[in-house]
Amino acid sequence: DADVTQTPRNRITKTGKRIMLECSQTKGHDRMYWYRQDPGLGLRLIYYSFDVKDINKGEISDGYSVSRQAQAKFSLSLESAIPNQTALYFCATSDFGTEYSNEQFFGPGTRLTVL
Amino acid sequence: ELKVEQNPLFLSMQEGKNYTIYCNYSTTSDRLYWYRQDPGKSLESLFVLLSNGAVKQEGRLMASLDTKARLSTLHITAAVHDLSATYFCAVDSAGGATNKLIFGTGTLLAVQP
Repeated sequence: DADVTQTPRNRITKTGKRIMLECSQTKGHDRMYWYRQDPGLGLRLIYYSFDVKDINKGEISDGYSVSRQAQAKFSLSLESAIPNQTALYFCATSDFGTEYSNEQFFGPGTRLTVL
Repeated sequence: ELKVEQNPLFLSMQEGKNYTIYCNYSTTSDRLYWYRQDPGKSLESLFVLLSNGAVKQEGRLMASLDTKARLSTLHITAAVHDLSATYFCAVDSAGGATNKLIFGTGTLLAVQP
């Protein structure tokens, strides 16, 4: 079974619609992240959460919101989707642990197309 | 603001050859990570480098970190087609508990027969 899962895997929607992308993990990690990937731009951080009560904006949070429903669940919402939010979205988790490593483990991704 | 640059952005190489991908970053950090991404797939962790002088090897890939030069290298030895993928380096934005990863734009590696 996958440690980090994302639903849906693919979504096509129209401008102005509200969209929710969901992420679940069974790794027991406290830290969760949402990234978007665009060709030639690498991965950019949207939001991150270090525990259930901690939510932080990343470098490109405008137009997005998140909810950390439980340690294992972190959802990303697009309140009113626009075409330039068309991208590949990844959820990731990490466990700071005793090595103070921020190695992150990624879900399979959600390909979102906004028409 | 931490910036991470990789070069080259695209690398076409023949099987059996050696090459190096470079990852430069702009501010102090002693933690760097390398990931591999196959087309349409997720990112897979390759190496975790947590100190100056760290060197890790797995198969035909070897990664190293020089924190004084703010440089990491990913060396490919005797490339094979299966290594074709996009490789990303990522740097911790701070040394403490609130660190975030800043990713390079990736190096697309194509290994030709």
